[in-house]
Amino acid sequence: GQQVMQIPQYQHVQEGEDFTTYCNSSTTLSNIQWYKQRPGGHPVFLIQLVKSGEVKKQKRLTFQFGEAKKNSSLHITATQTTDVGTYFCGDNYGQNFVFGPGTRLSVLP
Amino acid sequence: GAVVSQHPSRVICKSGTSVKIECRSLDFQATTMFWYRQFPKQSLMLMATSNEGSKATYEQGVEKDKFLINHASLTLSTLTVTSAHPEDSSFYICSAALGLGTRQFFGPGTRLTVL
Repeated sequence: GQQVMQIPQYQHVQEGEDFTTYCNSSTTLSNIQWYKQRPGGHPVFLIQLVKSGEVKKQKRLTFQFGEAKKNSSLHITATQTTDVGTYFCGDNYGQNFVFGPGTRLSVLP
Repeated sequence: GAVVSQHPSRVICKSGTSVKIECRSLDFQATTMFWYRQFPKQSLMLMATSNEGSKATYEQGVEKDKFLINHASLTLSTLTVTSAHPEDSSFYICSAALGLGTRQFFGPGTRLTVL
């Protein structure tokens, strides 16, 4: 079955530093979705990427979809304490949706 | 964005009892609803996908007789954990989507503790 992998599992950064999480799949991704889950909260949709090589920006967040549609990345510039949480990527696999294991980001003030 | 509610937010029950969790999409009609389980510091594990008016599709390893899912309308899906045991204690989260491949709107989750 489809496997969605994410690295790193954890990332600790100093406030102001950049952060990147990578999402890789064993099969071609159809439309990658990114979600953020704050500690104790529920996942909140961030963005969806559908085109090969697509790059989308949301303020300090930059999302990329690989040319081969087998990987994606989320980059945060100049992290802030409000960026703390777990970032999940996920994709549809047939009728279902598969999430990666997530990258847990902590930001030290 | 759209709002999805879940009820109850927290439940503590004795082993052997059944617990029903409701998931409602408040301002849109959800063709598809997903049920996930999340253990502490782990990812969301999809339990089942339900489409309004049809039987839910369960993930491998999820017992459909134990986790009963009913998607009776476009705004309501329920998950019933039958004969709950301590190992069923977890965070259960539902999500709603307009259709497959579209963004999901998550409910706030239900924390189940089985004593």
